[in-house]
Amino acid sequence: DQQVKQNSPSLSVQEGRISILNCDYTNSMFDYFLWYKKYPAEGPTFLISISSIKDKNEDGRFTVFLNKSAKHLSLHIVPSQPGDSAVYFCAAYNTNAGKSTFGDGTTLTVKP
Amino acid sequence: SAVISQKPSRDICQRGTSLTIQCQVDSQVTMMFWYRQQPGQSLTLIATANQGSEATYESGFVIDKFPISRPNLTFSTLTVSNMSPEDSSIYLCSVEIGRGYEQYFGPGTRLTVT
Repeated sequence: DQQVKQNSPSLSVQEGRISILNCDYTNSMFDYFLWYKKYPAEGPTFLISISSIKDKNEDGRFTVFLNKSAKHLSLHIVPSQPGDSAVYFCAAYNTNAGKSTFGDGTTLTVKP
Repeated sequence: SAVISQKPSRDICQRGTSLTIQCQVDSQVTMMFWYRQQPGQSLTLIATANQGSEATYESGFVIDKFPISRPNLTFSTLTVSNMSPEDSSIYLCSVEIGRGYEQYFGPGTRLTVT
């Protein structure tokens, strides 16, 4: 049973447009949600997070939206830049368990 | 933040042999984590390593196959024992610093077993 799912393995957008990456989860015990970005031959780097008690968190060009009733979160990147091209992992953290569960990742390509 | 290094960065190993991966952090951390990322798949937690205690393994991973050492607060090793081609993966270590849910990852070790 995959508790965190990213249903789109890839996404391609034009530079300057909005990128929207989606993530669904099944476990109501998750209390933080995170996005990580991964370049080839590097480890994932933390991008942005959101607490389960909030519905939006913004950091510069990156905004994460959380819909608890739908168990869905999304990452919006506006405007998208070619340097944003990477694999994006959604992760959900359970404080009681002290660990994160990751989705399969979405490969974002931003075309100049 | 933290700077995490891993050795080796990549290796090609023969079936039946073992490989030890090292993870070094530039600051003292309580918890270190070891993940596996198989081709095209997600990051899967292998075990959590606290200094001074036995590692805690996730379902599907056992100490005999993936022994872990944590001799101090800045270093850990993961050994992949008696390797088979199914062990070909990227192995990553990570730490929690500051906010517990935010992790910092090493660059990974790409292992190919032939």
